Amino acid sequence: AQKITQTQPGMFVQEKEAVTLDCTYDTSDPSYGLFWYKQPSSGEMIFLIYQGSYDQQNATEGRYSLNFQKARKSANLVISASQLGDSAMYFCAMRVVYNQGGKLIFGQGTELSVKP
Amino acid sequence: ETGVTQTPRHLVMGMTNKKSLKCEQHLGHNAMYWYKQSAKKPLELMFVYNFKEQTENNSVPSRFSPECPNSSHLFLHLHTLQPEDSALYLCASSQDRQGPGYNEQFFGPGTRLTVL
Repeated sequence: AQKITQTQPGMFVQEKEAVTLDCTYDTSDPSYGLFWYKQPSSGEMIFLIYQGSYDQQNATEGRYSLNFQKARKSANLVISASQLGDSAMYFCAMRVVYNQGGKLIFGQGTELSVKP
Repeated sequence: ETGVTQTPRHLVMGMTNKKSLKCEQHLGHNAMYWYKQSAKKPLELMFVYNFKEQTENNSVPSRFSPECPNSSHLFLHLHTLQPEDSALYLCASSQDRQGPGYNEQFFGPGTRLTVL
């Protein structure tokens, strides 16, 4: 079965410190894509970073990096130098091929709180 | 207007009412999606339209009825809802294609629905 698991319902981090949000996935497809989205309290989903299953290097986007360990089927998000504005829900998602295109499967989310 | 817009942002309705949620994307994408997000649950994919054809219906109750008149507009018609249908309803769009790989979904701000 295709599934995304985020085991941390809530996380706290001190401002300016780094934090790692865990994500594991399960799929038998050889090709897939992994995404992280941020959802502030306002509700919109904001794309952060993407990792393809065949990408050799870990993805990075500014303060966000993805620690991709294919053998372990994990795709953890690392946020460096946390800011107060990083407080939000974070969702890991996997794109799987479906019919003519694809679809996203989401994890349960992790609520991150950044302390001043 | 840019990106993905949704109206209304908030909706309160009785169980006997009929209402519609509207989504519009200004990105020239070929696929649109409806998601339901209940408290403490992952996003649930409800409907997918690729190239204006519905390609997914995840056993959604018939009291939810989607409509996609063109590639830029997506509606969700609601009738005789139940209190457990109260949730955040998110619309997304993407430039979908066959096969694996990068395919970001762009989300609207959501409609927060309360059913009394």
